[in-house]
Amino acid sequence: DGGITQSPKYLFRKEGQNVTLSCEQNLNHDAMYWYRQDPGQGLRLIYYSQIVNDFQKGDIAEGYSVSREKKESFPLTVTSAQKNPTAFYLCASRAPGGQPQHFGDGTRLSIL
Amino acid sequence: AQKITQTQPGMFVQEKEAVTLDCTYDTSDPSYGLFWYKQPSSGEMIFLIYQGSYDQQNATEGRYSLNFQKARKSANLVISASQLGDSAMYFCAMREGRGNAGNNRKLIWGLGTSLAVNP
Repeated sequence: DGGITQSPKYLFRKEGQNVTLSCEQNLNHDAMYWYRQDPGQGLRLIYYSQIVNDFQKGDIAEGYSVSREKKESFPLTVTSAQKNPTAFYLCASRAPGGQPQHFGDGTRLSIL
Repeated sequence: AQKITQTQPGMFVQEKEAVTLDCTYDTSDPSYGLFWYKQPSSGEMIFLIYQGSYDQQNATEGRYSLNFQKARKSANLVISASQLGDSAMYFCAMREGRGNAGNNRKLIWGLGTSLAVNP
């Protein structure tokens, strides 16, 4: 089955620690996205990538970093500079043209 | 200014009845697309339906239909014959621009409407 896999489902971060959220897709999509969702809120774009080895900052990129070394993979690192990382993180990918974004099941990040 | 407005934080509907979830948008771009997504309590975001600004007819997808009123800048989601499994958050989103000068084109999201279907 084609789809987007996010792991882990739950993640805990200690103060001062960097953590990496995994996002893998086998849909052969070029574009991939990372969103953050806080309780009672819509989605806010962190980073997006149109193609391998290229990515752009979204609306709330501070304290986050990404890489896109392979088409299938778009990992997100939440750095210690992100002072309020507790949130639900969603990864998405999209085929070219007017296609909708398709999402993974999300990772819930909490602070220990 | 908020570009996507969902005015109903919460809605209730009786099972088997129809329900309309409101969405208004603001854009000066003549070309745009409107999307509705469903987010159950488990968290995944499920694409439901899409309407392009140049589409002549309202989009339909099974029990979902989009009441697209361009002059009013509204794109309301209609769910017919509600089921218990329809209980979820529903998000309206907009993408501005067209063509592939935007494979990266961002979605602008509303704050969502929580729908509860009563048995």
